[in-house]
This record gives sequence, structure tokens and C-alpha cells, in this order.
Amino acid sequence: KNQVEQSPQSLIILEGKNCTLQCNYTVSPFSNLRWYKQDTGRGPVSLTIMTFSENTKSNGRYTATLDADTKQSSLHITASQLSDSASYICVAVGLGGGADGLTFGKGTHLIIQP
Amino acid sequence: NAGVTQTPKFQVLKTGQSMTLQCAQDMNHEYMSWYRQDPGMGLRLIHYSVGAGITDQGEVPNGYNVSRSTTEDFPLRLLSAAPSQTSVYFCASSRAGTGTRSGELFFGEGSRLTVL
Repeated sequence: KNQVEQSPQSLIILEGKNCTLQCNYTVSPFSNLRWYKQDTGRGPVSLTIMTFSENTKSNGRYTATLDADTKQSSLHITASQLSDSASYICVAVGLGGGADGLTFGKGTHLIIQP
Repeated sequence: NAGVTQTPKFQVLKTGQSMTLQCAQDMNHEYMSWYRQDPGMGLRLIHYSVGAGITDQGEVPNGYNVSRSTTEDFPLRLLSAAPSQTSVYFCASSRAGTGTRSGELFFGEGSRLTVL
């Protein structure tokens, strides 16, 4: 069964600090890996989409990495800001089976404290 | 562009009542879908559509109906609401060809439904 596991479940850091969120997936055959940011009470917004051939992708202070061999991804946030407080959702997309091929993680809830 | 618009944002129903959650997108996307989001669980696909006149079931379709008469609109109908359908519902859309497996998915702001 396709699965996406995210860690930690929740994280509290001080403003200005860096942090890294982890995502392990078992989707196969694999197409791409996505990270979404979901502010409280809002819909998810795409941060990055990486195919199996991409190792790193940046979006401002957000940098995602992908190791398709070990089926692991990470999202690194640099110099965190209060606006980074949100849930971060990892999504692994498969080529076959299922309806739309997307398997969602449960998310990491990040809180940035001043 | 408004993107993906969902209405209503909040709704309270009694068990057995029916209602429709509306979803409209102005990006001319072929692909549209409905998800539900529950505490401690990832987003789960309810129904999806790859174009006008075409719909299909997702992971958790029971108790929900959809139709796609136009490219822009994709309403979700609850036929007889149950407390288990208390959730936050998200509509999403994406471009055809890239949509389901390689394209960016655009989400609405969500509709929070409580069934008593």
C-alpha cells in the first residue's frame, strides 16, 4: 500500500532559526514528490514539485531535497519567520494505480515563536 | 483570477439532511477533485473529474455524489448527511495532461461541515 510518513508531527522553533522536516514514502512506481504549505483555516498551497531526477529545489527560503533511491525527502526552512507557522504536507505521486495517484502525508505542524 | 472558489465556508446540518458544496474555478482547468481532511489524517480523495461530463470515484466516495456539466463547476452533494461526514472539504483543480500526476494542484479555501 502506498504510504507517506512525515516527521516530526509537530515542531516549535524560535523566529530566525532553521529547521528541517522529513518525509518518507513507499509509493511505487514513483512520479514526483510535492510539498504543500497549509495555513490554519486555509487550503494547501504548493511549495515545490520534484521529479525523480531532481535532487534539490528551492522556493525562496524553502529548499526541498529528494533521494529517490531511499525514498526520502526533506524540506529545509532557512531563517524562519512568524509567517512560516503552518502545516507542511508531503505528497508522493505514483504513476500507476489509484484515482489521481496522490498519497498525502498527515503533515508536520510548525510553530514559529517570536 | 479568483482561482478555486468554494461555498459555503461553514455549514451545520442535521443528520439526514442533504446539501451541496459548490466549487468553481476560473483557470480553465480540465481536472477537478474533492478531498476531505480530518484530524490526524492526510487528505483523502472523494471524487474527481478529468473533464466536463466525466467523473470517477476516489478513495472515500460513499455518501457523496458529483457531476461535471461545465469545465468551471464541480459541485459535491451529500445525499443524507451523517455525523461521520463532519469534516473540512477541499476542492482542487489542475491543468489537463499535467493535472493528476505531474501538474500543480490548486486548492480552494475549504468548506467546514458539521453534521449533528
